[in-house]
Amino acid sequence: DGGITQSPKYLFRKEGQNVTLSCEQNLNHDAMYWYRQDPGQGLRLIYYSQIVNDFQKGDIAEGYSVSREKKESFPLTVTSAQKNPTAFYLCASSEQGIYGYTFGSGTRLTVV
Amino acid sequence: GNSVTQMEGPVTLSEEAFLTINCTYTATGYPSLFWYVQYPGEGLQLLLKATKADDKGSNKGFEATYRKETTSFHLEKGSVQVSDSAVYFCALSGEPIQGAQKLVFGQGTRLTINP
Repeated sequence: DGGITQSPKYLFRKEGQNVTLSCEQNLNHDAMYWYRQDPGQGLRLIYYSQIVNDFQKGDIAEGYSVSREKKESFPLTVTSAQKNPTAFYLCASSEQGIYGYTFGSGTRLTVV
Repeated sequence: GNSVTQMEGPVTLSEEAFLTINCTYTATGYPSLFWYVQYPGEGLQLLLKATKADDKGSNKGFEATYRKETTSFHLEKGSVQVSDSAVYFCALSGEPIQGAQKLVFGQGTRLTINP
């Protein structure tokens, strides 16, 4: 079955450390996205990528970085510059010409 | 810019009650509109969508009609079940830019159905 796999499901990080969240899709979708979810605030767009080797900042890109070296993969790095990284992170993808996203099951990051 | 405003929660209903969750939007042009559902600890699942004015999206007994005149996309269900307990998100998408759609989400409405 096609879908999006995010790993790990839970991640703990010490302050000052960088951490990378994995997102892999086998849907053959061109576009991929990272959102952050905080309680009561909905979802906010961090980065998105329309195609391999190209990506754009979203609304809250500061303290995050991404890469898109393969169509299937869009990892997100949460750097030590991100002041409040504890959140639920969601990866999504979309197919050209079809409106709407397919979401992964998310990674919950906690800074300890 | 584009924005979505949802009815504040939490919403608590008894089983078999009628459900309405209000959603209004602000957008330029002709956005597509979506309702997503999120169960505890999981990602979002597309519930229904509408891509032009007066379209009605429907799925699993839920319905929503794209009303351009009132800029609304309210979610309704005639008889809710305990299994409908979840968080519901309204979202809109403008025209894709180079194949990418930037969805804008409301803050979510937590729904709890009591037996």
